[in-house]
Amino acid sequence: EAGVTQFPSHSVIEKGQTVTLRCDPISGHDNLYWYRRVMGKEIKFLLHFVKESKQDESGMPNNRFLAERTGGTYSTLKVQPAELEDSGVYFCASSQTGFNEQFFGPGTRLTVL
Amino acid sequence: GENVEQHPSTLSVQEGDSAVIKCTYSDSASNYFPWYKQELGKRPQLIIDIRSNVGEKKDQRIAVTLNKTAKHFSLHITETQPEDSAVYFCATVSGGSYIPTFGRGTSLIVHP
Repeated sequence: EAGVTQFPSHSVIEKGQTVTLRCDPISGHDNLYWYRRVMGKEIKFLLHFVKESKQDESGMPNNRFLAERTGGTYSTLKVQPAELEDSGVYFCASSQTGFNEQFFGPGTRLTVL
Repeated sequence: GENVEQHPSTLSVQEGDSAVIKCTYSDSASNYFPWYKQELGKRPQLIIDIRSNVGEKKDQRIAVTLNKTAKHFSLHITETQPEDSAVYFCATVSGGSYIPTFGRGTSLIVHP
């Protein structure tokens, strides 16, 4: 069974540009989470989808970040316009139910210059 | 909100030695404590977890201990091997929540 996949693995953009990250959860997993790790710091929660609905978006830094999960399958996280402090590794995770183990993707390393 | 402190940030040991990573937390409602291992260039993976009704759990060379009164929990790795080299993250989850709060990670280096 394929694990959680994320695309791209790396992205280097300039300040002010737009970037869209994609996450494909494990098939059948209704719960999808986005996290971010700034270098050397903790992995921080951004938001949680249950199917196509946003269950908790309390971790989203500001309105430059927009997450979607149309149809309840894959999810995208768009950053527009990107700022220097948005650099980090963005992880996606999925779980079958909210209380089950979360399976992480390999992450997207975003560098904003 | 919850605050999770993880120490040390870097740990260097010789192959065969033991390694201990410690985490403290602030939220007394935390009742689930997973540990994740992230090898270089790979995804974080759950390696062991413990729930608040248990004081210790062991799985081969790794063990986790929990002291709910003192609000701290630790990961113990015995007979370390080079393939144990990775970043280890502790986390806590409060009752009724799905969302883990992570520590900052410990980079473990096992020298052959």
